[in-house]
Amino acid sequence: AQSVTQLGSHVSVSEGALVLLRCNYSSSVPPYLFWYVQYPNQGLQLLLKYTSAATLVKGINGFEAEFKKSETSFHLTKPSAHMSDAAEYFCAVSSSGGYQKVTFGTGTKLQVIP
Amino acid sequence: DAGVTQSPTHLIKTRGQQVTLRCSPKSGHDTVSWYQQALGQGPQFIFQYYEEEERQRGNFPDRFSGHQYPNYSSELNVNALLLGDSALYLCASSYRTGGSEQYFGPGTRLTVT
Repeated sequence: AQSVTQLGSHVSVSEGALVLLRCNYSSSVPPYLFWYVQYPNQGLQLLLKYTSAATLVKGINGFEAEFKKSETSFHLTKPSAHMSDAAEYFCAVSSSGGYQKVTFGTGTKLQVIP
Repeated sequence: DAGVTQSPTHLIKTRGQQVTLRCSPKSGHDTVSWYQQALGQGPQFIFQYYEEEERQRGNFPDRFSGHQYPNYSSELNVNALLLGDSALYLCASSYRTGGSEQYFGPGTRLTVT
């Protein structure tokens, strides 16, 4: 079984401030982990993924995430928030083998305050 | 290169009716997954198709069924619609190897009245 918990359904940051979105996972096998972003009335866009190659993963738009097995965490960060980062962010997990059933978290809505 | 496409964009149906949603995967992808995203929620996995067969299924009733064609495109069918079926239905395509990311379409917004 696999699951993802996103802490904080809403996060507000000032423009230029650090963005930190939290994600903890549970998986009985080595996981693949993903962060997706969703803008209003749109589908999901992949920001970055972890597939066991490197624990610090860099993605698009300046985002990165660090896989910490001891903490079962995969938090998403960005050093400086931009107004265009306002969106909903989803953490997701899938098993490392076989067919890819992806389990999503409930999402964190990021607000960027000018 | 066209990404994942879905049709229609929006749909309004009445309780008890049946609906078919369509998805064309990204070029080079052979696996299609369907998700239901209710308002304010994360996407919930419905099922996944590979080689024209349903390979995995989430916790959805048999009213939800699907099909994959030889060209990898896919359909999602929902019978006996309920008000609770109102949601954004997302299609995602990927290549079958484990860990490859899924590319999502823009979704079909289904409203059941």
